[in-house]
Amino acid sequence: AQTVTQSQPEMSVQEAETVTLSCTYDTSESDYYLFWYKQPPSRQMILVIRQEAYKQQNATENRFSVNFQKAAKSFSLKISDSQLGDAAMYFCAYRWHNDMRFGAGTRLTVKP
Amino acid sequence: EPEVTQTPSHQVTQMGQEVILRCVPISNHLYFYWYRQILGQKVEFLVSFYNNEISEKSEIFDDQFSVERPDGSNFTLKIRSTKLEDSAMYFCASTRSYEQYFGPGTRLTVT
Repeated sequence: AQTVTQSQPEMSVQEAETVTLSCTYDTSESDYYLFWYKQPPSRQMILVIRQEAYKQQNATENRFSVNFQKAAKSFSLKISDSQLGDAAMYFCAYRWHNDMRFGAGTRLTVKP
Repeated sequence: EPEVTQTPSHQVTQMGQEVILRCVPISNHLYFYWYRQILGQKVEFLVSFYNNEISEKSEIFDDQFSVERPDGSNFTLKIRSTKLEDSAMYFCASTRSYEQYFGPGTRLTVT
């Protein structure tokens, strides 16, 4: 069964600094999708960034970028120039066909 | 920008009662999903729905759960006889391809 592991329950970053959130996953599939979702206190799930497993190039979305290491089954999220509004729970997710699995989440605190 | 909507935002029910959670997916999406998130825990997949039938379901989605797309716009999750442990946020999501768009969630409280 596919599992997603986020080993950092909590992370903290100073405003304007850079932080990296870790995610690993376990799968025997070769073609799948990976996502990072942000969940602010409102509890809405907001897509931050996605990565197709067949693409070698790391996805980038403004201040958000990923380091996708397919062989290592690692998918970390880097947030540059952190802002107060980035404070939230971040969930890593794996999707193969209609099966979507989430990690336990990392709570990110941004210090002014 | 089109979005997934869910009603109600908060539902309080007594144990043993039936509840129906409603979702309106994005109109041109073809795949629909329900997830739940118990407070403080991770988001868990419940069920996926395509072409008017369930395509996948998790071990959580037992006989007390059912889903329906009664018309061209709504997608519902029914819990037949609620239990205390059903208290959670329930998220609906939809997609046309691989990127899922989530609704704002319904907070279900079972007393």
